[in-house]
Amino acid sequence: GAGVSQSPSNKVTEKGKDVELRCDPISGHTALYWYRQSLGQGLEFLIYFQGNSAPDKSGLPSDRFSAERTGGSVSTLTIQRTQQEDSAVYLCASGSSYNEQFFGPGTRLTVL
Amino acid sequence: AQSVAQPEDQVNVAEGNPLTVKCTYSVSGNPYLFWYVQYPNRGLQFLLKYITGDNLVKGSYGFEAEFNKSQTSFHLKKPSALVSDSALYFCAVSPGAEYNFNKFYFGSGTKLNVKP
Repeated sequence: GAGVSQSPSNKVTEKGKDVELRCDPISGHTALYWYRQSLGQGLEFLIYFQGNSAPDKSGLPSDRFSAERTGGSVSTLTIQRTQQEDSAVYLCASGSSYNEQFFGPGTRLTVL
Repeated sequence: AQSVAQPEDQVNVAEGNPLTVKCTYSVSGNPYLFWYVQYPNRGLQFLLKYITGDNLVKGSYGFEAEFNKSQTSFHLKKPSALVSDSALYFCAVSPGAEYNFNKFYFGSGTKLNVKP
């Protein structure tokens, strides 16, 4: 069956450019999460969507980061005016109720 | 504040020996507890979870974990380690159903090295 997919798998951009990262969750999963994982580090929570509720944006590091989830399915994480410190692997996960989260393969973002 | 601690950045163990990867938590309510594994250049994979019931839960690849409410711990264990178990392990906690139970808190990760 289809798991969580993310695109692109790798993104190299120049400082100051905007980037969009996409996540396709598992069909029917009501919850969708974005995390950031810097090299050798743990997971940093960014944002969480649950059904039609207002998203929990408490983990977004700055107002340059935003995310939306259209139609309760696909989600896009946008980083404006990228900085070198934004370089990381961005992980998306989906889930339902209190079950385990299913993670996508991640997008490796490199800001030059 | 909600938090998860993995006190060891790295655990080294010889193949065939038992292994333990530690996790303690500070979360409101009755928590839901999880372990995930991340192999190099791969996404996170679910290993096991504790929701309710028996404190000892068994998961994938021969791993198990014991929920200890009094010590607020959920240590990951395996009786006999394999070289292929070498990976990065993450403990995760979600507050109980009376709270925002879909918010997950992850530990910082523990790198497990199993030597032949």
